[in-house]
Order: sequence, then structure tokens, then C-alpha cells
Amino acid sequence: GAGVSQSPSNKVTEKGKDVELRCDPISGHTALYWYRQSLGQGLEFLIYFQGNSAPDKSGLPSDRFSAERTGGSVSTLTIQRTQQEDSAVYLCASSSTGTSIEQYFGPGTRLTVT
Amino acid sequence: DQQVKQNSPSLSVQEGRISILNCDYTNSMFDYFLWYKKYPAEGPTFLISISSIKDKNEDGRFTVFLNKSAKHLSLHIVPSQPGDSAVYFCAAPDGGGTSYGKLTFGQGTILTVHP
Repeated sequence: GAGVSQSPSNKVTEKGKDVELRCDPISGHTALYWYRQSLGQGLEFLIYFQGNSAPDKSGLPSDRFSAERTGGSVSTLTIQRTQQEDSAVYLCASSSTGTSIEQYFGPGTRLTVT
Repeated sequence: DQQVKQNSPSLSVQEGRISILNCDYTNSMFDYFLWYKKYPAEGPTFLISISSIKDKNEDGRFTVFLNKSAKHLSLHIVPSQPGDSAVYFCAAPDGGGTSYGKLTFGQGTILTVHP
């Protein structure tokens, strides 16, 4: 079956613009995660959705970052008034339930803020 | 506070030899550990995991060892192959019990296997 997909694969934007990144999880997976990987760094947790529960937003670095998950499937990560330090690869992952250890990752969106 | 640490940014190994990738953690509440492999321009892929009630888990050429008293785990790849060249991350889920939630990742180790 299809894996996790993300779009766009690359995004270049000017400082101060808003961007939206999209994630399509594996069908039937109830848990969805956003991470980002800055240059030379490990993966940093951003936000976690599990079913109909309130999302865990504890990793969002500022109030310029927000995410939503519509219909328990597709998720959009929005970054408002982008800054150069937002440049990173944004990775989405899903797992079959919140109790599943293994998370399946998409290919990521490389965001460059000029 | 880096709860999961991979202190070696890179490792170079000859084909056929053993690759040993190390990971240390500080949170004694972690009860599962995972290793992910990442190729350039791809997302990480799950490789192998270990529960804290075990000290070893083996899957083909990959073995993970866990030393709870030292808060240390290692991934052994034997024999190493050029296709194993990738970035390897160790990770631990923050939750426990019925809900695991987010993963905390180490910084990654770049493995290069030379033919």
C-alpha cells in the first residue's frame, strides 16, 4: 500500500511569507506526527495527533507554527511569517495507533527561507 | 537537555567488517528504543527495536544491545555492506504504558561502508 506522502518536496520562500506543508498519512493510521531536521541536527518533535484527542503541541517552537488534521487523515503544518531559522526538512510520520512503537515517515519537505 | 545522545557524528568501516553505532540516554523512564536508518532525500525507515526488559535483539545482520545500568545501547551490523551507508538515528518514545507518543531522537551517526 501507499506510504506516507508529503507535499511539496521542496519549498523556497521569502522571509516573512506564510507556508503550508501537507502530509497524507498511511490509510487507517490514527496517529500522526510532525518533526523537523535542521542542518546537522537530529529530528526534533513538533506536534502529535492521536485520533480525536487534543493534539500534543509541546514541540512547536513558536506561535508562528500551527497544524491541523482534518477528518482524522490529512494534516497541514502552517508556518506564518517565516524566518531563516525555520529552514529545515519537515518530516511527517504516522503509526497505526498511539500504542504502536514504529512510526512510518514520509520523504519530507525541504523548506528554505531566503 | 539532550535525552538521547549519539556522540559519534560519523563512522567509516570496510565492507565485511562489523559496524558498531552507539547511543546513550539519560531518561531512565524510557522503556523502548528504536533504530532508524535514513538515506539522503528520504524519510527515516525503521530498522530494529528493543524493549527495556531485554538486553539483546537480533534481526539478520542487525543486533541491538541494551545496557540499562549504563544507559547505553549499541547497534551492530555484521557483515557491513556498502548499501548500509546511511545516517543512523537511535530514538526512544516519550510515553509508556498505553500511549507512546512522540519519539526523542539522537543527533544521528553517518555510517560509510567502503567496498
